Amino acid sequence: KAGVTQTPRYLIKTRGQQVTLSCSPISGHRSVSWYQQTPGQGLQFLFEYFSETQRNKGNFPGRFSGRQFSNSRSEMNVSTLELGDSALYLCASSPDRGLGGFFGPGTRLTVL
Amino acid sequence: GQQVMQIPQYQHVQEGEDFTTYCNSSTTLSNIQWYKQRPGGHPVFLIQLVKSGEVKKQKRLTFQFGEAKKNSSLHITATQTTDVGTYFCAGDQYGNKLVFGAGTILRVKS
Repeated sequence: KAGVTQTPRYLIKTRGQQVTLSCSPISGHRSVSWYQQTPGQGLQFLFEYFSETQRNKGNFPGRFSGRQFSNSRSEMNVSTLELGDSALYLCASSPDRGLGGFFGPGTRLTVL
Repeated sequence: GQQVMQIPQYQHVQEGEDFTTYCNSSTTLSNIQWYKQRPGGHPVFLIQLVKSGEVKKQKRLTFQFGEAKKNSSLHITATQTTDVGTYFCAGDQYGNKLVFGAGTILRVKS
């Protein structure tokens, strides 16, 4: 089976812009969760999607949002980008409802 | 809020020595997961522990989940250079949130 894929792998944006990141889970996996990784804060949980519904959300502002499609692919959107949003954004998929699991390679977002 | 403390932050061992990293949660967990991340890479799932007092082994790796389901450890016997990386624990609080420890960076001298 192909692993979790994330696009794009690298992204450079400026403050105030918005960005959309994509995650395709392992075939047959229905749960997708998103994480932010920074040197200062480490790995932090953003949200989890299962059956097109957001099941859980971490402690991030409303600028961070996401959705899941009927084929389980998920997108994450960050609006009004701030310098502090520069990070590696990771998604993970698991077969059923569950947090963590198999991680994708991540999208490295740089906000200038 | 829920916190997961992981120690040590960093460990440098001679090849062949053992290595242990410990995690302690401020709240009871439904399960704990362990991941390994190589420099420049992404976290790779190692194992999930669910039962109180559970012990699982994967070759030279031994994982334990405490009786109170608040602490866990990962022990590597006879480290090899391929073991280098950062080891993270992640505590799942009954499906509400996954909280990661800060990670333990392992360096192995050959």
